Order: sequence, then C-alpha cells, then structure tokens
Amino acid sequence: DIQMTQSPSTLSAFVGDRVTITCRASQGVNNWVAWYRHKPGKAPELLISKASNLEGGFPSRFSGNGSASGTDFSLTISSLQPDDFATYYCQQYYSYSFGGGTKVEMK
Amino acid sequence: QVQLVQSGAEVKKPGASVKISCKASGYTFTGYAMHWVRQAPGQSLEWMGWINTGNGNTKSSQNFQGRVTLTRDTSSNTLYMELSSLRSEDTAVYYCARARAAGYFDNWGQGTLVSVSS
Repeated sequence: DIQMTQSPSTLSAFVGDRVTITCRASQGVNNWVAWYRHKPGKAPELLISKASNLEGGFPSRFSGNGSASGTDFSLTISSLQPDDFATYYCQQYYSYSFGGGTKVEMK
Repeated sequence: QVQLVQSGAEVKKPGASVKISCKASGYTFTGYAMHWVRQAPGQSLEWMGWINTGNGNTKSSQNFQGRVTLTRDTSSNTLYMELSSLRSEDTAVYYCARARAAGYFDNWGQGTLVSVSS
C-alpha cells in the first residue's frame, strides 16, 4: 500500500500569511495527487488534481507542486484568507490513500 | 448540477450491519466510477472501495475485505454501501464520492454519520 505522509498536522497562521503543506508518498505516484479542502460538517472539496491543476472556482492564491521523483508534493496558499481556515488532505489516486491531514487554524 | 444525496444518520449495535445510500443526479450515472470514504472522529479520510457503475464491478480496501458490499441501482441512480459485523471503531462519517476518469474525486455526498454503540 502507498502511504502518504503529510506535514505539519496543524499549522497556525495569520490572515495574509503564506503557508505551505507538504505530502510525501512512500513510492512514486507519477504526480497523481489531489488536494482537498475540508470544513467541519461539510463535504470535502477538490482543490487541486494532477499535483498542480487548480480546480475552477478556487482562487489563484492556491497552488500545488510536485517533484520530478513523483514522491514529494506541496500545497501553498500565498495569502491566507478567512475562508481558508480548514483541514487540507492530500490523496494519491493510484490506490486512493489519503495523507493524515493538516488543520490550518487562526493564530 | 451534480448532486450526491446520502441517507440519514444511523445508530447500530456491535455486530449489526448498516446500509447507506447515495442518490446521484445532474449527470450520466453510469459514466463515472463511485467511491466510498469514511472519517472516524479525529481521524483522517480513509478510502473504503469503489464501484464501476456501468458493470457493477467493485474493489475494496484490504482493511474492509469481507465486510463491505458495494452495489448500485442504475434504474434509480443510487449507490449502496453495506458494512457488516460493525464494531465501535466503525463509528464514522461515511461519504460517497464521484471519480473523474483519472481517478480523483470531484464531487462528494454530504456524509452519513454511523454510530456503533452497545
């Protein structure tokens, strides 16, 4: 099974901060990585697919990146907004496992 | 617009089974694979399995082998997930999710809370 190791588990930041969440796959996943935003009591929302393709409806302050090795991935929010405080999950869609999640909270 | 509407919350005793439904609308039902994911309290998302809505073929996570049954009814555009031999650790919110051809999940149901307690 492919493991996705996500860090940090919690991130405290101010509105306007630049934040980055990372995810490492236990083996190469060919950039088949998605990122989801999850707010309490709501369904998760697809944010990014194929490591860096931003879904329509999400602003350009969100960006994703993948490495040539196909194992290291990141999600960056360039200027944190109030609506962005949520939990974010990475997922590899070779065999569908998720990372442990990163809760982005207000400092 | 795509909608995935799941059945309501369930309370079950250990050893029982639960069957959750997910009714799809707003797109061609058999054109997309559907997955099930759960989230236990304070835990991450856990993939459970998927169903080919066209031919009914399924694949489940090893973590649920033998306990989960995925079915679909193409006449009503509804998916079903049945989990048997429930234990307290199965207390979670269960989601259905539609998958794009590449495999990632572009639409999710609202979630169904299943509580397992004696």
